Amino acid sequence: KAGVTQTPRYLIKTRGQQVTLSCSPISGHRSVSWYQQTPGQGLQFLFEYFSETQRNKGNFPGRFSGRQFSNSRSEMNVSTLELGDSALYLCASSFQGRGEKLFFGSGTQLSVL
Amino acid sequence: DAKTTQPPSMDCAEGRAANLPCNHSTISGNEYVYWYRQIHSQGPQYIIHGLKNNETNEMASLIITEDRKSSTLILPHATLRDTAVYYCIGTAGGTSYGKLTFGQGTILTVHP
Repeated sequence: KAGVTQTPRYLIKTRGQQVTLSCSPISGHRSVSWYQQTPGQGLQFLFEYFSETQRNKGNFPGRFSGRQFSNSRSEMNVSTLELGDSALYLCASSFQGRGEKLFFGSGTQLSVL
Repeated sequence: DAKTTQPPSMDCAEGRAANLPCNHSTISGNEYVYWYRQIHSQGPQYIIHGLKNNETNEMASLIITEDRKSSTLILPHATLRDTAVYYCIGTAGGTSYGKLTFGQGTILTVHP
C-alpha cells in the first residue's frame, strides 16, 4: 500500500510569489491535514479537509488556503509569499480524522528568497 | 488538547532500553496519549497510543500511570535508527479533525 505522497519535495520561490503544494493520501483515507514545521515554531496545524470540506483550521493568515478533490487528493496554496513562510510543509492522512493515527508524508521543503 | 511536558533530550546506549517520560497532568478522561517520532527531514511516524491501560506493539511499549498524569514510552532494544525527536501528545480524538498539538518533544540520541 503506497504511503502519503507529497510533491514537489523541494521548492524555491521569491517573496510575493504564490505556491501550490500537492498531497495524495493513502488509498481509502478521506481526511487530509496540513502542518507547517519551522525551527522556531515547531510543528503547527494548518487545516484539515474531509470529503472536500474544511472541518478544522489552525491560526494562520488567509494567505494559506487549501482544497480537497473528490478523490481525496489535496492541495494547499500560499499566496504573496513572505520570507517567514520558509518551512517544511507536511501532509497527513487518516480514515476519518477523528483521533485515529495519522500517516505523514515526507513533506515539501519550501524556501522563500 | 492536554499540555504535555517532556525532557528536551536524552541519551541511550545501543541495545539498551530507552525510557522516555511524558508528563500530562491536565489530561482529561477522554483524551488519549499518542506518541510519534520524527527522524530528521522526514514526516512524523506514529508509534503507539493508549487511554489508561498499558499498551505494546512491535515498536514500543507504553506505560500510563494509574492517575493518567504521566506516561513512559519504552523502546526495549534501542538501535542507532531510533535516534529521532519523540513527541508525546494528548488528544481527545473524536473532534480533533486531523489536528495534533505537537510540543518540542524529546531528542533521543542512541550511541554505539
